[in-house]
Amino acid sequence: GQNIDQPTEMTATEGAIVQINCTYQTSGFNGLFWYQQHAGEAPTFLSYNVLDGLEEKGRFSSFLSRSKGYSYLLLKELQMKDSASYLCAVRDTGGFKTIFGAGTRLFVKA
Amino acid sequence: GAGVSQSPRYKVAKRGQDVALRCDPISGHVSLFWYQQALGQGPEFLTYFQNEAQLDKSGLPSDRFFAERPEGSVSTLKIQRTQQEDSAVYLCASFTGSSYNEQFFGPGTRLTVL
Repeated sequence: GQNIDQPTEMTATEGAIVQINCTYQTSGFNGLFWYQQHAGEAPTFLSYNVLDGLEEKGRFSSFLSRSKGYSYLLLKELQMKDSASYLCAVRDTGGFKTIFGAGTRLFVKA
Repeated sequence: GAGVSQSPRYKVAKRGQDVALRCDPISGHVSLFWYQQALGQGPEFLTYFQNEAQLDKSGLPSDRFFAERPEGSVSTLKIQRTQQEDSAVYLCASFTGSSYNEQFFGPGTRLTVL
């Protein structure tokens, strides 16, 4: 079956660091994506991992361990505008079908 | 255009009505997806096109849902005899088709079935 788990909500303080975890069990794997979605808006791409390890892009980093079926998104120097839902998604093999988790709502407080 | 566009942005339908939702992908993007997103949930895969070919429709919830992309560009998602449980945001996404590239999402159509 297909299953992607991530925490429902997290709260963090402006300027701090937060780590959002994602575990997945999918029938195939052809890469893991993180998307950001502000309320009422479309998801926007943050990162892509297909090999194990850490990918860094500015204030955002994403880590993948394929053997553990685990990824995390790390957000540094949090800003109020980072308050949003963060979606973990796995692309299936044999095509481009992408399975999304339910998302983690992050609240950044002053 | 500069991005993926969808129309209408909002649609209110009475139960039992048919609706058609349109997606204009980014020019040149061969791959196009439709997703259904319920409130507080992540997008759920409905169907996928590569050019005009519908390669995967395993996510369509019932035979009331039908999608087409006859010329490999604009796509239409049609829902027949709408039910209240069809109320959701319908997102369209396109990408170039390479294994890396992320999907670019449209703003979505919020469908409310009364």
